[in-house]
Amino acid sequence: DVKVTQSSRYLVKRTGEKVFLECVQDMDHENMFWYRQDPGLGLRLIYFSYDVKMKEKGDIPEGYSVSREKKERFSLILESASTNQTSMYLCASRFLGQGRNTGELFFGEGSRLTVL
Amino acid sequence: GESVGLHLPTLSVQEGDNSIINCAYSNSASDYFIWYKQESGKGPQFIIDIRSNMDKRQGQRVTVLLNKTVKHLSLQIAATQPGDSAVYFCAEISYNQGGKLIFGQGTELSVKP
Repeated sequence: DVKVTQSSRYLVKRTGEKVFLECVQDMDHENMFWYRQDPGLGLRLIYFSYDVKMKEKGDIPEGYSVSREKKERFSLILESASTNQTSMYLCASRFLGQGRNTGELFFGEGSRLTVL
Repeated sequence: GESVGLHLPTLSVQEGDNSIINCAYSNSASDYFIWYKQESGKGPQFIIDIRSNMDKRQGQRVTVLLNKTVKHLSLQIAATQPGDSAVYFCAEISYNQGGKLIFGQGTELSVKP
């Protein structure tokens, strides 16, 4: 069974704190993604990574950074958390290569972050 | 499949009835489409997919229909069960845009026993 594991299901942080959200996948996927999900706004892409050491901004990268030092791990960093970053954060991964072009995303269970 | 608003569209059905969930996708060049199911407090799960060169695909109790003429995707669930209650959303993928995904906002399915 494929597995995307997010380290924390629930976090409560204070404004200004640095927050790390960790995601690990065991499928040897090249692509990894961080989304946030908010009521009425759907899934919004924060950052993605095509492969190790690579990162690309998504639609809403402001206030976030990422790290992809190893293929299986993709971390989302909130340098200074703010209340408007209270949200559900979803990590996903996929294989996207020649001859197997599906592009299906496998999601983790989500990390619900509350910033007070 | 994008809409702006504070509330998800909601579909309420009786247990045992068939459900049809619709999605209007945005890119006529999209190559591949997926339906996801997301239960409360969980991550989205893959249900079924369809390539752009097909117009219908069937799975177990689910069928996806693709109408490229009007850029419309639908998910049909046969004999809906309480365990089907969730948010369902579609995703479209374009390979010539590096596999870029666009997600629909979703529809909340509520199954009454």
